[in-house]
Amino acid sequence: ELKVEQNPLFLSMQEGKNYTIYCNYSTTSDRLYWYRQDPGKSLESLFVLLSNGAVKQEGRLMASLDTKARLSTLHITAAVHDLSATYFCAVDIYPGGSEKLVFGKGTKLTVNP
Amino acid sequence: DGGITQSPKYLFRKEGQNVTLSCEQNLNHDAMYWYRQDPGQGLRLIYYSQIVNDFQKGDIAEGYSVSREKKESFPLTVTSAQKNPTAFYLCASRPGQGYEQYFGPGTRLTVT
Repeated sequence: ELKVEQNPLFLSMQEGKNYTIYCNYSTTSDRLYWYRQDPGKSLESLFVLLSNGAVKQEGRLMASLDTKARLSTLHITAAVHDLSATYFCAVDIYPGGSEKLVFGKGTKLTVNP
Repeated sequence: DGGITQSPKYLFRKEGQNVTLSCEQNLNHDAMYWYRQDPGQGLRLIYYSQIVNDFQKGDIAEGYSVSREKKESFPLTVTSAQKNPTAFYLCASRPGQGYEQYFGPGTRLTVT
């Protein structure tokens, strides 16, 4: 059974600081996704990582994928309050030829002024 | 506008009643999914469907049922057999392999 583990689960940081969220998964997959969720809202897609070594950047967020280590990182540069949200990673698996995503528990990020 | 709609946004029911949550998409996506989210938790997969008239159980299918009679629609019924139905329910669709899932706005169900 695929397990997706994120850490930390809670992250409180000051504006202007850098930090990294980690996403480890337990079985082979070369497709990983990052989502953002604001309180009481739905999920918004941030990044799609489809191969080993993939790196995507959008504003202050950068995501990378190492399929050999089964690890993805979401790096936050010079955090601002607007980045406060919960971030989820999700991994594709293919049971019986179909496909589904398995989500981590999420990292709740709070950026303090 | 293309997108995924879920209705209603908030739903209140008495214990012992079945309730159906609506999910419609006009994105022409083949695959559709239902998730449940509890406070402070990640998403857990209830059911998913890759094509019309076919669907598979996810990790927590007990107490739920679905149908996929049309490509655009994937309603979820929460039955009285579901022990703890109060949760936030999210529907998603996906155009194909290698693409992310797109999520609807969600339905918050409260059962008392």
